[in-house]
Amino acid sequence: EADIYQTPRYLVIGTGKKITLECSQTMGHDKMYWYQQDPGMELHLIHYSYGVNSTEKGDLSSESTVSRIRTEHFPLTLESARPSHTSQYLCASSESQGSGQPQHFGDGTRLSIL
Amino acid sequence: AQSVAQPEDQVNVAEGNPLTVKCTYSVSGNPYLFWYVQYPNRGLQFLLKYITGDNLVKGSYGFEAEFNKSQTSFHLKKPSALVSDSALYFCAVRPPSGTYKYIFGTGTRLKVLA
Repeated sequence: EADIYQTPRYLVIGTGKKITLECSQTMGHDKMYWYQQDPGMELHLIHYSYGVNSTEKGDLSSESTVSRIRTEHFPLTLESARPSHTSQYLCASSESQGSGQPQHFGDGTRLSIL
Repeated sequence: AQSVAQPEDQVNVAEGNPLTVKCTYSVSGNPYLFWYVQYPNRGLQFLLKYITGDNLVKGSYGFEAEFNKSQTSFHLKKPSALVSDSALYFCAVRPPSGTYKYIFGTGTRLKVLA
């Protein structure tokens, strides 16, 4: 069982608010990822990190930002939320050691911006 | 461009019958191949992977997948479907070198009918 946690699970908030979605993993994985997924739809990579102080933008342009100050923690921040940010956000991690390690996913944060 | 295709948006199968969920990929080299399952309001759960070796790999919950290099396919199979298998299934590929980014298919919804 993977140990990767996302909080909050659900968030309903008004336009213009600053939001931080939390993601933590206890497996010591150096690779971490954020995906955006509309319910029941495909995943879009928005950010990833290969280790502490390493962050890259993903394939889908996003107004969010991320940081990686500690190995276990990879928060995502929206400075000013808008209705277009309404979606589900999934965090994942993977190990570098060994061949073809799978990603481990959290249960997601479902975000609704009013 | 590297890509993963899941040609069926939905697959319906009667309980007890065999099921197949299709996946083809376009990635150079010998990529790592994965299947994940997603239940409502949950993250993705890893089912199985192919790295090298036997073309038939076995995974969790009685699922298996058949790798076919000449057809660049990695179809998910189960000999006898259960109603509880109803979920969203994602095929994913990680290129063999140069990146730790995973390429996901668009997902296939499996519906097992009682």
